[in-house]
Amino acid sequence: AQSVTQLDSQVPVFEEAPVELRCNYSSSVSVYLFWYVQYPNQGLQLLLKYLSGSTLVKGINGFEAEFNKSQTSFHLRKPSVHISDTAEYFCAVSFSFGNEKLTFGTGTRLTIIP
Amino acid sequence: EAGVTQFPSHSVIEKGQTVTLRCDPISGHDNLYWYRRVMGKEIKFLLHFVKESKQDESGMPNNRFLAERTGGTYSTLKVQPAELEDSGVYFCASSQELSGGKNNEQFFGPGTRLTVL
Repeated sequence: AQSVTQLDSQVPVFEEAPVELRCNYSSSVSVYLFWYVQYPNQGLQLLLKYLSGSTLVKGINGFEAEFNKSQTSFHLRKPSVHISDTAEYFCAVSFSFGNEKLTFGTGTRLTIIP
Repeated sequence: EAGVTQFPSHSVIEKGQTVTLRCDPISGHDNLYWYRRVMGKEIKFLLHFVKESKQDESGMPNNRFLAERTGGTYSTLKVQPAELEDSGVYFCASSQELSGGKNNEQFFGPGTRLTVL
């Protein structure tokens, strides 16, 4: 069975500092990987996804993530955060064979300190 | 183009009552999903419709939950009777028809926050 682990439930970061949000997954088959963001009082929005090809994926708002198959990780990074990045971030996986249901981690709440 | 909409945004009911949540997917999206997040925990899959058919309902917690998608457009999720542990945020998502095994992006609605007292 698939599972997703986000070890950090809360991450405080100073404005303009870099940030890394960690995500590890477990699966016996190939997976697709996603990062979603939920801004206050809004729905989930896709930040980026890894389907195949280059292991470094660039998303919206300056975020990027790197797929590491040997470490089963898909960490999210941004070199310089802004106040507007304050949100909850969710890592998710789905099977590669047409089963689209997403398995989510517990989320990481990113707080930007001015 | 309108996104996924959900109604109501909030619902507060007493234990034993019935509640019906509604989801309107993006027009033309055949796939519709329901997810739930219980406070502090992960977002969990409930079920998946392809048009009006239930493709996968493995995540439905018990028979107090009934999901329908008549006509393959909007969907409803009814909880009857509601229990305290049903409290949480219910998300709906939709995606286009799968093509060539390609995983299509799921677009999420803002969720319905359900509180059972």
